[in-house]
Amino acid sequence: AQKITQTQPGMFVQEKEAVTLDCTYDTSDQSYGLFWYKQPSSGEMIFLIYQGSYDEQNATEGRYSLNFQKARKSANLVISASQLGDSAMYFCAMREPNTGNQFYFGTGTSLTVIP
Amino acid sequence: DTGVSQNPRHKITKRGQNVTFRCDPISEHNRLYWYRQTLGQGPEFLTYFQNEAQLEKSRLLSDRFSAERPKGSFSTLEIQRTEQGDSAMYLCASSFGGTVPSYEQYFGPGTRLTVT
Repeated sequence: AQKITQTQPGMFVQEKEAVTLDCTYDTSDQSYGLFWYKQPSSGEMIFLIYQGSYDEQNATEGRYSLNFQKARKSANLVISASQLGDSAMYFCAMREPNTGNQFYFGTGTSLTVIP
Repeated sequence: DTGVSQNPRHKITKRGQNVTFRCDPISEHNRLYWYRQTLGQGPEFLTYFQNEAQLEKSRLLSDRFSAERPKGSFSTLEIQRTEQGDSAMYLCASSFGGTVPSYEQYFGPGTRLTVT
């Protein structure tokens, strides 16, 4: 089974609007971390936001927020007030520190911001 | 520059040749990861080190691939007898170790390998 599932291969959003990128995960561990990374066309992976499995509040970092629904095993990324520079690939990832400590990545969502 | 660096950034090689890539992690980080990424896919885990010890290696990794991290600092990834299917971006990342799940990975710019 896939550890991380991103079902939106491509998304479009109007500049200044908000957009939600979906991510579901699969784990039987109680302790895990969820991450979102941005990969612009230049190729470098940029860390955006982190949510821990024991965190009761949704994580926020500037215009990024993570909608964490533990019972549904979803960790959707919300980008508010989209900017042209947000156009990139976005990857959801999970770390299970007590089980091998690998990072598992989804297949990504390509976001295009339309002026 | 205190980020993760990788060299070379691009490598073109002929099928059957050996190639070696280098990764210099963030100096305080004791964990180092190698990934492979093909077009339209997320990074695929290859292997990782804690200090100089290689703790895990993907079952997908053939024995043509070998990685080292002497002295727990920089790491090298060697691919022997390259095949066209090895063409990909090879990403290196580093992080703090331990069982705290919040330690994010910092990625290097990657080495793009093209096997002709």
